[in-house]
Amino acid sequence: QTVVTQEPSFSVSPGGTVILTCGLSSGSVSTANYPGWYQQSPGQAPRTLIYSTNTRSSGVPDRFSGSILGNKAALTITGAQADDECDYYCVLYMGSGIYVFGTGTKVTVL
Amino acid sequence: QVQLQESGPGLVKPSQTVSLTCTVSGDSISSGTYFWNWIRQPAGKGLEWIGRIYTTGRTNYNPSLKSRVTISGDTSKNQFSLKLTSVTAADTAVYYCAREVAAITGFFDWWGQGALVTVSS
Repeated sequence: QTVVTQEPSFSVSPGGTVILTCGLSSGSVSTANYPGWYQQSPGQAPRTLIYSTNTRSSGVPDRFSGSILGNKAALTITGAQADDECDYYCVLYMGSGIYVFGTGTKVTVL
Repeated sequence: QVQLQESGPGLVKPSQTVSLTCTVSGDSISSGTYFWNWIRQPAGKGLEWIGRIYTTGRTNYNPSLKSRVTISGDTSKNQFSLKLTSVTAADTAVYYCAREVAAITGFFDWWGQGALVTVSS
């Protein structure tokens, strides 16, 4: 069974930069996995940040950016703000119409 | 503006079947432009993709749930539904429906607010 791994938690200072990663239990993440990133506040539905590796969804600030770093997908938050304190999930396309979400990262801004 | 609204029984007993419906407004599920997905989230845990349906009725399912899941669509009501059989406490979760842009793999652009399903006797 495929497991998509993310760091459980990250802390970042206001105005700082944090890079969240999304990896596969076996193998490398590539653009062919069409990595996406979703932000979720407590009690809310997820909000789309990034799709297709590095395309920002409508209305998403440009301080959020997506990329492939080494063998993982990455979400970079530059100039972190207090309201970036949320959970972040990646999702990967595994082929044959199948998706797998990552384990999620809780970001704290302090 | 597109809206997705989940509805379901709230509470279901172990071993029973739970059915959830997603009502779509502001778009047509028969348009051919989107896939219509179900995703769930147990309390305090991560998201799990359950499956999706396309206009043609074609479906894809999470292999770990495939034996218990059926997703279907009702174009006359502009709804799509999830049926999950033989439920256990592990199926207790908030269930979300989400729209996926068919031409952009992995782009879930609109989500419902979620419906809580609790499995308990």
